[in-house]
Amino acid sequence: GAGVSQSPSNKVTEKGKDVELRCDPISGHTALYWYRQSLGQGLEFLIYFQGNSAPDKSGLPSDRFSAERTGGSVSTLTIQRTQQEDSAVYLCATALAGRFNEQFFGPGTRLTVL
Amino acid sequence: DAKTTQPTSMDCAEGRAANLPCNHSTISGNEYVYWYRQIHSQGPQYIIHGLKNNETNEMASLIITEDRKSSTLILPHATLRDTAVYYCIVRVAIGGKLIFGQGTELSVKP
Repeated sequence: GAGVSQSPSNKVTEKGKDVELRCDPISGHTALYWYRQSLGQGLEFLIYFQGNSAPDKSGLPSDRFSAERTGGSVSTLTIQRTQQEDSAVYLCATALAGRFNEQFFGPGTRLTVL
Repeated sequence: DAKTTQPTSMDCAEGRAANLPCNHSTISGNEYVYWYRQIHSQGPQYIIHGLKNNETNEMASLIITEDRKSSTLILPHATLRDTAVYYCIVRVAIGGKLIFGQGTELSVKP
């Protein structure tokens, strides 16, 4: 497809379990961002990858959260030992080099931690 | 990044122009104004951006005041599908994370 894709679209897990969320960027987009949106809340930045530079992890809420981007393409966001407050929609966005603020968002993964 | 202020909500009649204001009085000379919208249950969608000149694309027009302290996003003929939360973001071009405020909830009514 032409857009950013994310999988799974929905994930229900039990408290304490680990989850992995996947983002497939638009081909050629070198910048990749993860955000999350809790119910009724605004978007919260999590982490940002740009090319081979060290990622900007300043938005990760705790060390239970990590992300990687393999080969400058697919990215995985991992949440270890999930807590109920991690329940949110996790959104991935990508952008072309030099147009970092014109971000294309995926449909998101809705995570529910029971 | 400069702080932005937007009305919490607005209504617009279908087929009429929707004019969404944004105040950014502390904007710096190298900061751009970006607009995004988020339709319910979807990810945000980039609309338009500008530095100081007015801009127009297939989705909307952006009018920036001469002093750059405020701007208006114009949807010339609003449709029901334009019902969404509209975010005004001020950012340097180098980019990185976008900081979304509360935005304006636009309701287009028949």
